[in-house]
Amino acid sequence: DIQMTQSPSSLSASVGDRVTITCRASQGISNYLAWYQQKPGKVPKLLIYAASTLESGVPSRFSGSGSGTDFTLTISSLQPEDVATYYCQKYNSALSITFGQGTRLEIK
Amino acid sequence: EVQLVESGGGLVKPGGSLRLSCAASGFIFSSYSMNWVRQAPGKGLEWVSSTSSSSSYKYYADSVKGRFTISRDNAKNSLFLQMNSLRAEDTAVYYCTRGTTDIFTGYSPSHFDYWGQGTLVTVSS
Repeated sequence: DIQMTQSPSSLSASVGDRVTITCRASQGISNYLAWYQQKPGKVPKLLIYAASTLESGVPSRFSGSGSGTDFTLTISSLQPEDVATYYCQKYNSALSITFGQGTRLEIK
Repeated sequence: EVQLVESGGGLVKPGGSLRLSCAASGFIFSSYSMNWVRQAPGKGLEWVSSTSSSSSYKYYADSVKGRFTISRDNAKNSLFLQMNSLRAEDTAVYYCTRGTTDIFTGYSPSHFDYWGQGTLVTVSS
């Protein structure tokens, strides 16, 4: 099975900072990767799919990049409402859709 | 507006059964693959099962294979998850999620663009 490793598991940053979260696959998954945001007590929300395609309605400060094994979610200028846990998800195989373990983002 | 509304959760004893339902509206249900994702209390997201739009293809996580069955009724815009032989580790909020339309290209796994509010399943004696 392909493993997904997210890092860091948690981070604290200041408003306006550029924030980067990474997701690494143990084998290549092309661009079959999505990113989700889950605010405390809320339902997960799709941010990015196909590694770099921004979901409609998602603020442009969010961006995704990568292909193969290494992927990145970037928030260009952190806002207070971005406090959440972020998950990556691989979907290259119908037999094994896998989420990363999550990255908890807090405001410093 | 796309809406997914889960129901059927509750408290069940280990070894028991439960059937979850998801009522869909606001889109052509019969054109989309659908999925179940769960989240144990304080834990991360875990994919559970997926079904293609026509029910021709069904997939399960190893952790539930042989115990859970996904199904759908396109005439009633509904998705189901039959859960048997439940274990304490199945305790979680179960989310119904929408995949992608697969009527032209055939089924392929995908990201999940809409999520229901979830229904809590608690397995405990």
